[in-house]
Amino acid sequence: QKEVEQNSGPLSVPEGAIASLNCTYSDRGSQSFFWYRQYSGKSPELIMSIYSNGDKEDGRFTAQLNKASQYVSLLIRDSQPSDSATYLCAVIPLAGGGNKLTFGTGTQLKVEL
Amino acid sequence: EAQVTQNPRYLITVTGKKLTVTCSQNMNHEYMSWYRQDPGLGLRQIYYSMNVEVTDKGDVPEGYKVSRKEKRNFPLILESPSPNQTSLYFCASSAGTGEARSGAFFGQGTRLTVV
Repeated sequence: QKEVEQNSGPLSVPEGAIASLNCTYSDRGSQSFFWYRQYSGKSPELIMSIYSNGDKEDGRFTAQLNKASQYVSLLIRDSQPSDSATYLCAVIPLAGGGNKLTFGTGTQLKVEL
Repeated sequence: EAQVTQNPRYLITVTGKKLTVTCSQNMNHEYMSWYRQDPGLGLRQIYYSMNVEVTDKGDVPEGYKVSRKEKRNFPLILESPSPNQTSLYFCASSAGTGEARSGAFFGQGTRLTVV
């Protein structure tokens, strides 16, 4: 079982719709969770962090964390073509010191006109 | 502007020819790390450093070396590159002694091809 799992996609949504990206993790002791956006050929860019159960909103982005079910999700409201990218879920597992990121392989999002 | 700068951005080299990829950050971050990104495998940590003269292996350290003589610089050294080290490499830095508090801030990437 991978430590951090994401559906590779592509996930296609029409412009203006809500895009929902999901991620599950295996280490129940994980404490910190991050979402990165990566455009093709570019470096990952941190867009959201979440540390406690519930929702965290920042503009059009909402991160949701459910530690009991070991999943974290990212909602993008009013999706725009510029949101088309690969979204990486990253977790800080307790195993290994609780200090370094473990990444999923990413979900490719395509926002269609 | 806060940034992590890697050089070179693109590099094609031959098997066995030693190379160094430089990385420098201007945010006074203690923690720095190197990742490689491969299709289907995602980002994997090669080495990390919690401060000057403190380095340790990540998940895929074989074939790589690093040094941390100054806080801002963290070069990645491939003493005898092989084709399986063809990859996209990222340097990253973080405030504090790890990535848990604020994630990682990535450089622009170095695309390395070993023939």
